[in-house]
Amino acid sequence: DAGITQSPRHKVTETGTPVTLRCHQTENHRYMYWYRQDPGHGLRLIHYSYGVKDTDKGEVSDGYSVSRSKTEDFLLTLESATSSQTSVYFCAISLTGGNGYTFGSGTRLTVV
Amino acid sequence: GQQLNQSPQSMFIQEGEDVSMNCTSSSIFNTWLWYKQDPGEGPVLLIALYKAGELTSNGRLTAQFGITRKDSFLNISASIPSDVGIYFCAGKSSGDKLTFGTGTRLAVRP
Repeated sequence: DAGITQSPRHKVTETGTPVTLRCHQTENHRYMYWYRQDPGHGLRLIHYSYGVKDTDKGEVSDGYSVSRSKTEDFLLTLESATSSQTSVYFCAISLTGGNGYTFGSGTRLTVV
Repeated sequence: GQQLNQSPQSMFIQEGEDVSMNCTSSSIFNTWLWYKQDPGEGPVLLIALYKAGELTSNGRLTAQFGITRKDSFLNISASIPSDVGIYFCAGKSSGDKLTFGTGTRLAVRP
């Protein structure tokens, strides 16, 4: 086990409601990433963090925000969920950044 | 943003066959990686390549870092049923994040 857990594993929510996904690591890695996986698009970067309180946007960041108040936790928030945000969300961690990511098992989010 | 195109998008395999897939980019990368994703799980790193022309093996898997630095190839020899899944290439140009390809889905030929 790589020491990275995502919660919840599955969630169904209604359009317009806020949703927070959690990524927790026990590896003390500096870098953490949130990706979404959709058919035909592969994995696309939403936001990433290179340290506590240091975050940056990825290629599909609209409608998402993140927070990292502790090394071990990286939260992804959908302020007002839309059906286009139905996806599988993966968190990843990296010791050095950009090499050899370790992924969590994913959160399947359905917005109805 | 950078685009990574993987080919083929999907393929069927029969046990014992060799499999080839590739990944091409519109820009240069300094690092290429290959991941495999099993159903219901996150991707797992298979092979990492750090130098143009590099050829690296991991068991039955062999990957190459293209000379132009804009492509990479993955070969699987003598495929077995547990090879099914989605294979992703990923590249790093600079900075601290990877760009992933669209994936190649391997399935067993019925």
